[in-house]
Amino acid sequence: AQKITQTQPGMFVQEKEAVTLDCTYDTSDPSYGLFWYKQPSSGEMIFLIYQGSYDQQNATEGRYSLNFQKARKSANLVISASQLGDSAMYFCAMREVTSYDKVIFGPGTSLSVIP
Amino acid sequence: GAVVSQHPSRVICKSGTSVKIECRSLDFQATTMFWYRQFPKQSLMLMATSNEGSKATYEQGVEKDKFLINHASLTLSTLTVTSAHPEDSSFYICSAWDRPNTEAFFGQGTRLTVV
Repeated sequence: AQKITQTQPGMFVQEKEAVTLDCTYDTSDPSYGLFWYKQPSSGEMIFLIYQGSYDQQNATEGRYSLNFQKARKSANLVISASQLGDSAMYFCAMREVTSYDKVIFGPGTSLSVIP
Repeated sequence: GAVVSQHPSRVICKSGTSVKIECRSLDFQATTMFWYRQFPKQSLMLMATSNEGSKATYEQGVEKDKFLINHASLTLSTLTVTSAHPEDSSFYICSAWDRPNTEAFFGQGTRLTVV
């Protein structure tokens, strides 16, 4: 069963606008972590933001914020003031403590920023 | 932040030969490393968990005899693709945790092409 769902294969956003990338997850582990990574065409994995399952507040890192709705098992990424350099693949990922901390990834969303 | 170095970044080999990919944690000790495989326009699929001093744990469907993993030290894990075939052509990427940090650090990835 797929544990991470990203329902938007591709997204377009106008430069300087905000965009939300959706992510839902499934786990029975009470302790887990949620991540967003960016992967440009070069292939490198760039860490964006992290949310722990026990964190009370939504995580923020500069222009990135994570909208964490635990009861709905959703962890959407919000990118404010999009830039051309934000065009890339974005992956939502989850680490489960009971699974030896291995990280599994969602299918990804391709974001294109339009000038 | 912590650095994970992966080598080589690109390799082309003939069908039937073996290829070794190295993953090093440069400034921290990693008792556990993870190996992923990524086909074009797809997500990262976890292949195996590499444990220092013990056997790797492979995900379901991954051939242990084809993808040999060795984690001989706290800073080095290697993935050997044995008797490579064109269908093994893919992007291979490793990652490791630098506890107590919350993000997984990734190597630069290795693009393997089997001809």
